[in-house]
Amino acid sequence: GAVVSQHPSWVICKSGTSVKIECRSLDFQATTMFWYRQFPKQSLMLMATSNEGSKATYEQGVEKDKFLINHASLTLSTLTVTSAHPEDSSFYICSPTTTSAGGPETQYFGPGTRLLVL
Amino acid sequence: RKEVEQDPGPFNVPEGATVAFNCTYSNSASQSFFWYRQDCRKEPKLLMSVYSSGNEDGRFTAQLNRASQYISLLIRDSKLSDSATYLCVVNQGYSSASKIIFGSGTRLSIRP
Repeated sequence: GAVVSQHPSWVICKSGTSVKIECRSLDFQATTMFWYRQFPKQSLMLMATSNEGSKATYEQGVEKDKFLINHASLTLSTLTVTSAHPEDSSFYICSPTTTSAGGPETQYFGPGTRLLVL
Repeated sequence: RKEVEQDPGPFNVPEGATVAFNCTYSNSASQSFFWYRQDCRKEPKLLMSVYSSGNEDGRFTAQLNRASQYISLLIRDSKLSDSATYLCVVNQGYSSASKIIFGSGTRLSIRP
């Protein structure tokens, strides 16, 4: 199966700091990158969708200035949580995906980044 | 109403039992359907796609009822390793920007 790496896997930071999460598709090119977050005992919630070289599209309620997404290449996307606060503590999962005219073809997931903001 | 709804469980069943989950979706234009499993503190992993004619993969059987807008997953002869959260996933449209919606998951616990 496809290999997706996400770094870091764990991060603990103080309130007010910024955290950058990297997601790499190691053996395929991801035309689309989805970023999700998951709070305990809840489902994955889509935060934003980005296509390589384009600005990300954010879901309602997700602040684009707080969650900066860069999808500079077909194998790398980053999510930066700026000025993180305790309520941003969550499990962040990237999902690099190949797409066609029929929509997302195969959705892969990174192993996730667990963020704890103190 | 949620776009994708699942019974959160938990389902606690003995090893060897048969267990079934249902999932309903609200958008009748939804195009493709999947079951994922997610282990605690891990990312979701694709278990199987769900086809209109129903499909089987070993002990797992998935079915789709478009008229009633629900999807089901049946697990036969359950194993301890089947303990996980099962997520129903729906792709809502045709375009490359179509949304993929995750259900909140059904927790399954298999006891010896």
